[in-house]
Amino acid sequence: DGGITQSPKYLFRKEGQNVTLSCEQNLNHDAMYWYRQDPGQGLRLIYYSQIVNDFQKGDIAEGYSVSREKKESFPLTVTSAQKNPTAFYLCASSPLFPSPGEQYFGPGTRLTVT
Amino acid sequence: DQQVKQNSPSLSVQEGRISILNCDYTNSMFDYFLWYKKYPAEGPTFLISISSIKDKNEDGRFTVFLNKSAKHLSLHIVPSQPGDSAVYFCAASDTGNQFYFGTGTSLTVIP
Repeated sequence: DGGITQSPKYLFRKEGQNVTLSCEQNLNHDAMYWYRQDPGQGLRLIYYSQIVNDFQKGDIAEGYSVSREKKESFPLTVTSAQKNPTAFYLCASSPLFPSPGEQYFGPGTRLTVT
Repeated sequence: DQQVKQNSPSLSVQEGRISILNCDYTNSMFDYFLWYKKYPAEGPTFLISISSIKDKNEDGRFTVFLNKSAKHLSLHIVPSQPGDSAVYFCAASDTGNQFYFGTGTSLTVIP
């Protein structure tokens, strides 16, 4: 069945290490997004991509990197430059054509950096 | 600067009564609005949406109202059920390129 998968659900890393979060969708959606959620805050956009091999920075892109080599996949790397990486990370996708639609979210990855 | 605001962090209602969740926005270019429901440690799930050409959209127990002049939308849940207890996010989009989310309202429906 169709959907978005994120793995792993929980991830622990030591400070100073880069870590890559996986996001895969089989909904044939053109657009994919990465958000971060912190306690008491809404979802903040990190990066988004509307087409393969192209992506745009969101509001809080510093310390993060992404790639979009395939339509189905949009991995997010949290680099050691990200000052406060511990958070709940959500990946989403949405259709763009014939008109933008609602976003479908994955189950999220909780990253803890110590 | 928060373009979508949910000023009530929490709301409690009795089962069977109406729940009204509010959302305000600042960008007059927003033309598509959505409500999501989220349980802890899960991704949000889409609930209902409304385009700026409408002022009301209804889906079962859920109705979204849009007041463009006031830049305000609300979600009504009637009747409220204990299973509706969750965090509700409103979101807005101008061209579909980006979605801007509010900070969420935690709804508790008391049996």
